[in-house]
Amino acid sequence: GENVEQHPSTLSVQEGDSAVIKCTYSDSASNYFPWYKQELGKRPQLIIDIRSNVGEKKDQRIAVTLNKTAKHFSLHITETQPEDSAVYFCAASPNTNAGKSTFGDGTTLTVKP
Amino acid sequence: EPEVTQTPSHQVTQMGQEVILRCVPISNHLYFYWYRQILGQKVEFLVSFYNNEISEKSEIFDDQFSVERPDGSNFTLKIRSTKLEDSAMYFCASGAGISSYEQYFGPGTRLTVT
Repeated sequence: GENVEQHPSTLSVQEGDSAVIKCTYSDSASNYFPWYKQELGKRPQLIIDIRSNVGEKKDQRIAVTLNKTAKHFSLHITETQPEDSAVYFCAASPNTNAGKSTFGDGTTLTVKP
Repeated sequence: EPEVTQTPSHQVTQMGQEVILRCVPISNHLYFYWYRQILGQKVEFLVSFYNNEISEKSEIFDDQFSVERPDGSNFTLKIRSTKLEDSAMYFCASGAGISSYEQYFGPGTRLTVT
């Protein structure tokens, strides 16, 4: 089955700096890669996603890149703010709505003011 | 904006008891999911449901688990005989399908098995 590895497990940055979180996956059948932000005690919320036919996607301060050959994808947050502090999860899913999503272990991002 | 809702927010039960966790997905969504998150750990897929049947399930989703969509709005997860290790946050999610893979998570039910 699919195996998703996520690094680093914790990341601390100064406000205004950039943060990068990386994930690798094992199953070449995976084609959909969402990123979720989870604040303490809250639900995971989708912040950005990318499909395998695209190499990069950007939404304001957040971007995701995908290297399908190398089976890795990354989340980039620029101009970080204290409210970006949360746990971030990557996930990999097959190209079907009904398929199993496999999550990474999560990265705890702390943005220091 | 429509949201997935879940009840109860917290359920305490004794080992061996049956529990039913309830979810109301977003009304026009076609795909439904249950996930589990043990405290401090990652989110784990349990099951996906479409067209009134299970589409896929993980190895966690054994014979003790079942799902049902008893009417047009509710989606339930039943655990027949709870174990201590079933203690976790259970999230329901729904997705519209139709060229979108986005899943929208509910607020979760914290299940504590004593």
